[in-house]
Amino acid sequence: GAGVSQSPSNKVTEKGKDVELRCDPISGHTALYWYRQSLGQGLEFLIYFQGNSAPDKSGLPSDRFSAERTGGSVSTLTIQRTQQEDSAVYLCASSFRAGVVTDTQYFGPGTRLTVL
Amino acid sequence: ILNVEQSPQSLHVQEGDSTNFTCSFPSSNFYALHWYRWETAKSPEALFVMTLNGDEKKKGRISATLNTKEGYSYLYIKGSQPEDSATYLCAFNNAGGTSYGKLTFGQGTILTVHP
Repeated sequence: GAGVSQSPSNKVTEKGKDVELRCDPISGHTALYWYRQSLGQGLEFLIYFQGNSAPDKSGLPSDRFSAERTGGSVSTLTIQRTQQEDSAVYLCASSFRAGVVTDTQYFGPGTRLTVL
Repeated sequence: ILNVEQSPQSLHVQEGDSTNFTCSFPSSNFYALHWYRWETAKSPEALFVMTLNGDEKKKGRISATLNTKEGYSYLYIKGSQPEDSATYLCAFNNAGGTSYGKLTFGQGTILTVHP
């Protein structure tokens, strides 16, 4: 079946603008995760959803970052008033369940965000 | 703050060589250790999920071992091929509160296999 999809694949924006990144998880997966990789850094956890709830949003770097998930499916990560340090590859993943640590997280191809 | 460390940072080998690299993680509150392969311009691909001390997993020419008491995992590739060139990531799940879904990743080992 279809894997995790993300859009757009690339986004170039100007400092101070808002951006929305979209993630479509694998059908039937109840858990959804957002990570990012900044230049020279490892993958960094941002937030995860179980259904439409976000039990852990501890990785969101500032209040300019927010995420929501509707209908237990699509998720949107919104960055307001973008800064150059927000430039990164934003990856989304989904798994069948959250709270089951052996469940594999399946990753999308990522959105490369560049803030000029 | 959980530190997951991988070594070496990068590795160049010749086709046919066998190689291995290390992932170190905190040994307390261990739940699971994941290995991923991330090729350029593709999605990270899951290789293994390991939970028990002494676990060994194998997938084709790739295998992994786990030592939860001392906090390390090894990934082995036998007879490396150019298509094995990728970044290999390990990620750690630890117990705690609402964070069961959270993976903490190492920086990765970049493997380049030369024909």
